[in-house]
Amino acid sequence: AQSVSQHNHHVILSEAASLELGCNYSYGGTVNLFWYVQYPGQHLQLLLKYFSGDPLVKGIKGFEAEFIKSKFSFNLRKPSVQWSDTAEYFCAVFDYKLSFGAGTTVTVRA
Amino acid sequence: DTAVSQTPKYLVTQMGNDKSIKCEQNLGHDTMYWYKQDSKKFLKIMFSYNNKELIINETVPNRFSPKSPDKAHLNLHINSLELGDSAVYFCASSQDGPTGELFFGEGSRLTVL
Repeated sequence: AQSVSQHNHHVILSEAASLELGCNYSYGGTVNLFWYVQYPGQHLQLLLKYFSGDPLVKGIKGFEAEFIKSKFSFNLRKPSVQWSDTAEYFCAVFDYKLSFGAGTTVTVRA
Repeated sequence: DTAVSQTPKYLVTQMGNDKSIKCEQNLGHDTMYWYKQDSKKFLKIMFSYNNKELIINETVPNRFSPKSPDKAHLNLHINSLELGDSAVYFCASSQDGPTGELFFGEGSRLTVL
């Protein structure tokens, strides 16, 4: 079964700092990769996705992620965070079902 | 214009009771899901239906019974509620053809006392 691990449980940073969240998955075959975001008290929303092609994908709100096949990784980045980026971030992998990592809580201090 | 809507949003009940959560999507999607998010925010798939047919059932106790009267609705009925059932339950839908791109409802927070 597919497993997804997110390296950071809780990240605290100041506005304008850069953010990188690590994600690794276990399956070596073809997978679709995602980052979902859950703002406080809200439902999950798609941040970005990778199916194939350019391994550097851009999502909403200035986020991007890089797929590195040899490392089974799909790390999320944002060069300069804002207070409104405070949220729970979930990496997810789809083979026949969507499996989520445990999530990373990101707190951005003004 | 809510795409995936769930009712109720909050549910507080006693152990042993039976409760239902309803979900409707107006996106025209063929596949619907139930996910459970526990107190540590971990998300786990419970069920998936495609065009009213069950396609994923993830070792969920049979006290949980999903029902899909049509492809726009997926309801979750829970019998004999236990303390461990307390969680947020998210309904989601996706286009036909498995991709993993899901649209989630706002969640239903179930508290079992």
